[in-house]
Formats: sequence, C-alpha cells, structure tokens
Amino acid sequence: KAGVTQTPRYLIKTRGQQVTLSCSPISGHRSVSWYQQTPGQGLQFLFEYFSETQRNKGNFPGRFSGRQFSNSRSEMNVSTLELGDSALYLCASSTGLAGHNEQFFGPGTRLTVL
Amino acid sequence: AQTVTQSQPEMSVQEAETVTLSCTYDTSENNYYLFWYKQPPSRQMILVIRQEAYKQQNATENRFSVNFQKAAKSFSLKISDSQLGDTAMYFCAFVNTNAGKSTFGDGTTLTVKP
Repeated sequence: KAGVTQTPRYLIKTRGQQVTLSCSPISGHRSVSWYQQTPGQGLQFLFEYFSETQRNKGNFPGRFSGRQFSNSRSEMNVSTLELGDSALYLCASSTGLAGHNEQFFGPGTRLTVL
Repeated sequence: AQTVTQSQPEMSVQEAETVTLSCTYDTSENNYYLFWYKQPPSRQMILVIRQEAYKQQNATENRFSVNFQKAAKSFSLKISDSQLGDTAMYFCAFVNTNAGKSTFGDGTTLTVKP
C-alpha cells in the first residue's frame, strides 16, 4: 500500500495570505489527524476527521480549519497567516479513530511565512 | 488536560549498547493508550511501540520494550543493541481514548555513535 502523502512538501507564503494543505491517507483509512510541529512548541494536535466529520479539535484559533472528503482525503486551511504559523504540518491516518489505532504519518508540509 | 514530559532533550549511546528514554504523563483518565514514535532526520514519523493502559504486561517489539508503571504514570522506552539507524528524535504520546486527543512530549533526540 502507498503511504500517507502530503502536498505540497514546501510552501512559502507572506503574512495575511491563506494556505491550503492536502493529505491523502493510506487506502482504507478513514481517520485523518493534523499536527503542527515547531521547535518551540513541539508537536501539537490540530484536529481529527473521521468519515467527513471533525471528531476532535486541539487548542488552535479559528483561522485553522479543515475538512475531509468522501474518499477520506483531507485538506487543512489556514487563513490570515501569521509569522508564528511557520511550521512543519504533519498529517496522520488510521483505520479508525486515532485514540484506538496506530497512526501512520506523512512526510509533512514545511510552511514558511514571511 | 493531559501533559506529557520527556525530561531528556538529548541522549547518546554507543552502538550495540542499551539506552532508556524516559517519559512521564499526567492524567485523570483511566482509558488511554501510550505510544512511542520515532522521527528520523528524514522527518517521516513512525510508530515504535504501543501500550494499552489496561494491560499490565509491558509491550515489546523486537529490540524495543517499555517499562509501563501506571501508578507512577511513567512510560519509559528501552532500546537494546542500539543500531546507527536508531538515531532519531523519539516522541512519547498519550491518547485519551474517550476524547481522542493526542498529546505529545517535546521529544528526545537520540544519537547512536559508532
């Protein structure tokens, strides 16, 4: 099976812009979770989608949103970008909810906000 | 809220020796999973080992084993016969099975020296 894929791998944006990141889970996986990884804050949970519904949400402002499509692919959107949004964004997929199942991580999207 | 603490930001070990990475967590929940993930320099995060909180027996995966002390809320990872390919950042993670939210520690950077 192909692994979790994320596009794009690298992205450079300026403050105030918005960005959309994409994640394609492993075939058959119904859950997709998103994480933000920064040197200062470590790895922080953003949200989890399962069967097109947001099941869990971390402590991030409303500028961070996501959605999941019927084929389980997921997108994450960040509006009104701030310098502090520069990070590696990881997505992970699992067969069922992440709380009960092993998560498989993608390579990440490196977002730089100038 | 759950917290996960990895008190060793960096560690090193000689090839073929044994090393133990520490992790403590704080929660009032009874139903949860604990994970150790490995993130090599290439950045793809992979699962090393998983422990269900209701199981008293410590999980083992080949050279990797855990010492799970539920009362002490401790979950250390032991790597035996260390190999150069074990060089990576290791994250301890807690997942509340009821809420489904994942909480990660700040990571321990392990370097295996030849």
